[in-house]
Amino acid sequence: DAKTTQPTSMDCAEGRAANLPCNHSTISGNEYVYWYRQIHSQGPQYIIHGLKNNETNEMASLIITEDRKSSTLILPHATLRDTAVYYCIKRWTEKLVFGKGTKLTVNP
Amino acid sequence: AAGVIQSPRHLIKEKRETATLKCYPIPRHDTVYWYQQGPGQDPQFLISFYEKMQSDKGSIPDRFSAQQFSDYHSELNMSSLELGDSALYFCASSLRNRGRKTEAFFGQGTRLTVV
Repeated sequence: DAKTTQPTSMDCAEGRAANLPCNHSTISGNEYVYWYRQIHSQGPQYIIHGLKNNETNEMASLIITEDRKSSTLILPHATLRDTAVYYCIKRWTEKLVFGKGTKLTVNP
Repeated sequence: AAGVIQSPRHLIKEKRETATLKCYPIPRHDTVYWYQQGPGQDPQFLISFYEKMQSDKGSIPDRFSAQQFSDYHSELNMSSLELGDSALYFCASSLRNRGRKTEAFFGQGTRLTVV
């Protein structure tokens, strides 16, 4: 069961949108895409999840391609506090299986 | 809103000692997960419980055991501690909702140091 593929690191300017890509080409029809982030050894924080439709909440937007093989997490106005490791996770069973994640650094 | 509570937050033990980590899930949540995160590593799934029964098992060493009690809190027992067990241990909880995936919420973790 291959995990997702994400860039190792990304940079973003404060106030700009941060677009974090994720490749999940082996995703099955019943698997959801979940995004979590971890700020410096704190507990992972839930951001958003979706199955096939785009989703938006107060934290972020999730854009899933029509074939569901990739997705993009969008933080519309990144702040310094958004600096964290962002994990894109395929989820079918109840457990979350973390991959390598993307280290996002928001610069002033 | 109430969050997942873990105790203790920090723990220092010597090699070959035993440690017990506790997790109090969000009220009404019926599922608890345990994760281990070594230095510079990503969280690794250890074990989970649903309605007090083990529901899934990951890379949990045989020296470790866990259970979920009638009040839904969970304990991770770690025996014969080794230096390599030094890590952050996270607990998460969720409410299983048949037919729909729900989010899992994590506690702030217990930092275990084995010396």
